[in-house]
Amino acid sequence: NAGVMQNPRHLVRRRGQEARLRCSPMKGHSHVYWYRQLPEEGLKFMVYLQKENIIDESGMPKERFSAEFPKEGPSILRIQQVVRGDSAAYFCASSPPGSRVGTEAFFGQGTRLTVV
Amino acid sequence: GENVEQHPSTLSVQEGDSAVIKCTYSDSASNYFPWYKQELGKRPQLIIDIRSNVGEKKDQRIAVTLNKTAKHFSLHITETQPEDSAVYFCAASEASNTGKLIFGQGTTLQVKP
Repeated sequence: NAGVMQNPRHLVRRRGQEARLRCSPMKGHSHVYWYRQLPEEGLKFMVYLQKENIIDESGMPKERFSAEFPKEGPSILRIQQVVRGDSAAYFCASSPPGSRVGTEAFFGQGTRLTVV
Repeated sequence: GENVEQHPSTLSVQEGDSAVIKCTYSDSASNYFPWYKQELGKRPQLIIDIRSNVGEKKDQRIAVTLNKTAKHFSLHITETQPEDSAVYFCAASEASNTGKLIFGQGTTLQVKP
């Protein structure tokens, strides 16, 4: 089992460019969560998706950020017109179908976004 | 929504001593409390978790206690080793049943040889 795969591991973007972060959940997992970690801070929930559905996006900034989890392929977190404040580590976690509270979420290695 | 407070923010102990990290939460309906260890530049890894129907859980040198009445839970590491040095995060799962986790701010643990 390859675990949760995120790519790229490191991403550098200039201000105003778009950033696309990809997450492939563990095999058999259909729930995906995105978290953001600013330097020396905790993880902040952004969005929870199931296949083709956004279940909870209460942690997503209102503008420039979007997420999807298509029927085929990885989940994508897209940040348009990046600004320096978007520089952070973005972690994806996945859990199995039928997950309820109390199911372990497995984290990927994260994508470290640097906006210059 | 849920809010999780964690302290201390940094903790330094001598090898072999015990370390205790404490967290409080605000939503009395939360019922799942995992602890994650994160080494520098790496992903958070689950080290132990506890559900609200249990007061204490132990796994070798690591234990977690939960006080539902007071809404706080703690991580206890005994016989600390240098490899225990890392950032530790507590979290609580919102009662919305989505599996969404609310994390504490983290504790940087340094174990001195």
